[in-house]
Amino acid sequence: DSGVTQTPKHLITATGQRVTLRCSPRSGDLSVYWYQQSLDQGLQFLIQYYNGEERAKGNILERFSAQQFPDLHSELNLSSLELGDSALYFCASSSFTGQENEKLFFGSGTQLSVL
Amino acid sequence: DQQVKQNSPSLSVQEGRISILNCDYTNSMFDYFLWYKKYPAEGPTFLISISSIKDKNEDGRFTVFLNKSAKHLSLHIVPSQPGDSAVYFCAAYNFNKFYFGSGTKLNVKP
Repeated sequence: DSGVTQTPKHLITATGQRVTLRCSPRSGDLSVYWYQQSLDQGLQFLIQYYNGEERAKGNILERFSAQQFPDLHSELNLSSLELGDSALYFCASSSFTGQENEKLFFGSGTQLSVL
Repeated sequence: DQQVKQNSPSLSVQEGRISILNCDYTNSMFDYFLWYKKYPAEGPTFLISISSIKDKNEDGRFTVFLNKSAKHLSLHIVPSQPGDSAVYFCAAYNFNKFYFGSGTKLNVKP
């Protein structure tokens, strides 16, 4: 168990809809990352938050947004969903010490299916 | 622009033999590299890492080699076991960002 909790595990919805994915980081970790893994693709970095502030942005669509709350949990909001948004969405956390031995700890993911 | 590449989508080896998974990167500024292992329906888990100041790091059956001049790293698993069957992701770290490869699916046959 990585200590990172993601809910829900599975989500089935229709095109045009909006969903929210939730992530609780490991105890003590201040940084949260969101990744998308589409079929046969690698882990595509979406966005990173550190202590409530956006830290880095990757290939995140304008239809997607995220935030990190004061209790450090994070939510990824996906709107106007398209078939191509179907993917496994991972949240990861790190202590973000800036040290060389930084590691990411991943949750078990949310499988999103857009029908 | 993919800065970390794993060109072999899959690899099959016999139990007891060596598994060698390869990874190439393009950015010479990367200073830290990691390997993650992923089982189906689970998130990736950290396996082993190496700093750019080293060329080898070993942890039990797992050894990572780094060739900075070739911008290449590899993960060796000796001996391979059926439980090692999983997808392995290579990652590089720099300026507080992690860059992942597309993964190599390893199948270790009993």
